[in-house]
Formats: sequence, C-alpha cells, structure tokens
Amino acid sequence: GENVGLHLPTLSVQEGDNSIINCAYSNSASDYFIWYKQESGKGPQFIIDIRSNMDKRQGQRVTVLLNKTVKHLSLQIAATQPGDSAVYFCAENYGGATNKLIFGTGTLLAVQP
Amino acid sequence: DAGITQSPRHKVTETGTPVTLRCHQTENHRYMYWYRQDPGHGLRLIHYSYGVKDTDKGEVSDGYSVSRSKTEDFLLTLESATSSQTSVYFCAISDAPGGVTNTQYFGPGTRLTVL
Repeated sequence: GENVGLHLPTLSVQEGDNSIINCAYSNSASDYFIWYKQESGKGPQFIIDIRSNMDKRQGQRVTVLLNKTVKHLSLQIAATQPGDSAVYFCAENYGGATNKLIFGTGTLLAVQP
Repeated sequence: DAGITQSPRHKVTETGTPVTLRCHQTENHRYMYWYRQDPGHGLRLIHYSYGVKDTDKGEVSDGYSVSRSKTEDFLLTLESATSSQTSVYFCAISDAPGGVTNTQYFGPGTRLTVL
C-alpha cells in the first residue's frame, strides 16, 4: 500500500510498552480536537476526540491530553500492540459550524514485536 | 468506514482528460468534504459542502469543482487533469447535531494517477 509515512516523524516502541504521540496545534480559538489513525492504504479512522472545556479524556487503551496554555495535544496508547502500527494525525476544528479541520502531518508509530 | 463509499477506488488517466470522483454516504450527514493526501503535506481540504447545492472552497481548490445535488452524493471533478493532481483523494462526512461541532468520518480513498 501507499507509504503515507514518508518523511514523517517516527516513534518506535516495543510491544507492550506505552506510547505517547504529541501534536502542537495552531489556533488558540480551536475548540475541538480529534486523533485519527491511518493504516497503509486506508482512510483515516477516528480514535478519540476532546473538547476545549476538558483537559483529559479516556477511551479504550487510549487517553488524550489537552494543554491549551501551550496549544499541545497528546495521545497515549497503553500496552501498545503490533496492530497499533500506523500513522497518527491530530486535527483541530477551526471552521465552527462547518466542522472544518486542520490536520497535522502525522507521526508514524512502529511497534516492534 | 461509517457508511461512506468512494468510486472508483483506483484510476489512471491521461493529462487533459476530465475525471469525476464520487462519494456516497448512507448516514444522512449534512457536511461532506473532499481532501487530497500527498507525502509531506498531510490531508488538505479541496472543497466542502454544508448542504444540498451549498459548497465552498478549501485551501487547494484550483483545478477542481464539486457538485452536490442530493444529500448522499458529493462529486469531485477535475475538468482537465494534470500530473500535479496525482494523489490519493478522501471523502469525509460529518454532522453537527444541535449546532455542536462533531468529528469527520472518512471513506476508503481513491488513488488517482495522471500520466
């Protein structure tokens, strides 16, 4: 499939370890943030979201942290598995009611068995 | 893929030919979007629609047009394809119940090669 990870920052972790993927966003007025996972040859898949009135949200094995002071998002994946290997994008909402998003360029997560 | 299909999934065409990509949704979502994805650029918005017959430009709209004649279909047309339009194209949908911003869900993509 297509290597959408070309020239991307790469995070390499051992299976079973925790992963932390970071993202800096651009607009201090953004009020909604999303993390997506993209496997080779597939479309981006929603993982978790967070609104600006929260600083932490947990899902199944994933946690998103939001620091509005420094405009920073992070995605934590617990007990990383080989199936977590993919490119991860953050996105911020800047379009208000039109739901337009700005996407980061992504981080390639490589899980070593 | 959240009830979103794209057709064709792969296409090879020649410079100067017209190309139309189709996005079809079964979710009855109000908003639909076309993106292109290229190495080093991430996802970039081409055009979007906020209702039937209501569309607007994104950041990379030159050389593209769109149409939305019914809620479920959003068409992207390259009037005269160029090699710079070789890319992977993704459709996305979203809704805003009660006016609250919500996530976008993506289709499987169309790989377009312009020779």
